[in-house]
Amino acid sequence: DAGVIQSPRHEVTEMGQEVTLRCKPISGHNSLFWYRQTMMRGLELLIYFNNNVPIDDSGMPEDRFSAKMPNASFSTLKIQPSEPRDSAVYFCASSSTGGNQPQHFGDGTRLSIL
Amino acid sequence: SQKIEQNSEALNIQEGKTATLTCNYTNYSPAYLQWYRQDPGRGPVFLLLIRENEKEKRKERLKVTFDTTLKQSLFHITASQPADSATYLCALERSFQKLVFGTGTRLLVSP
Repeated sequence: DAGVIQSPRHEVTEMGQEVTLRCKPISGHNSLFWYRQTMMRGLELLIYFNNNVPIDDSGMPEDRFSAKMPNASFSTLKIQPSEPRDSAVYFCASSSTGGNQPQHFGDGTRLSIL
Repeated sequence: SQKIEQNSEALNIQEGKTATLTCNYTNYSPAYLQWYRQDPGRGPVFLLLIRENEKEKRKERLKVTFDTTLKQSLFHITASQPADSATYLCALERSFQKLVFGTGTRLLVSP
């Protein structure tokens, strides 16, 4: 079975540019999560969706960040405009709905903003 | 404030020994706790979940304990192998479906 698929794996862009990260969750999973991982702060939840609806976006750092889930098999995380401090690894994860479900992570997008 | 602590220093052990990793937390009352493994350049991979009413959980060479009084979980790998070398993350339920992760402990198993 295919796991969570993220693209691109690496992105290098200049400050001020728009960045779009993409995620395809595991088929049948109702919940989707976006995380950011840095050495300083570890793995932080940015936003999560249930049945394509954003449930909690309290982790989104600021208005420059936005996320959408137009259907059950696709989500995007967009940063506009990007800044050097946004450089990190961004992970997408999916799970079945439920309070004790394991989360299945993609291999992340390593984002570098110059 | 809420905090999850894992040893930030790497744990070095010899092959065949038991590795024990610690996860301490404050100001949480999680209904469950999860452990994940992360290899360089890869996403975390789920290993085990333990509920608040469970003292211990086992899976093959892995064992997890959960002490809600001490606010601590211990993660054990018995008969460790070089292939067990990775970073191990604990994660607590913060609210429904929201996990908060520790910063992880890097384990190095030498042949």
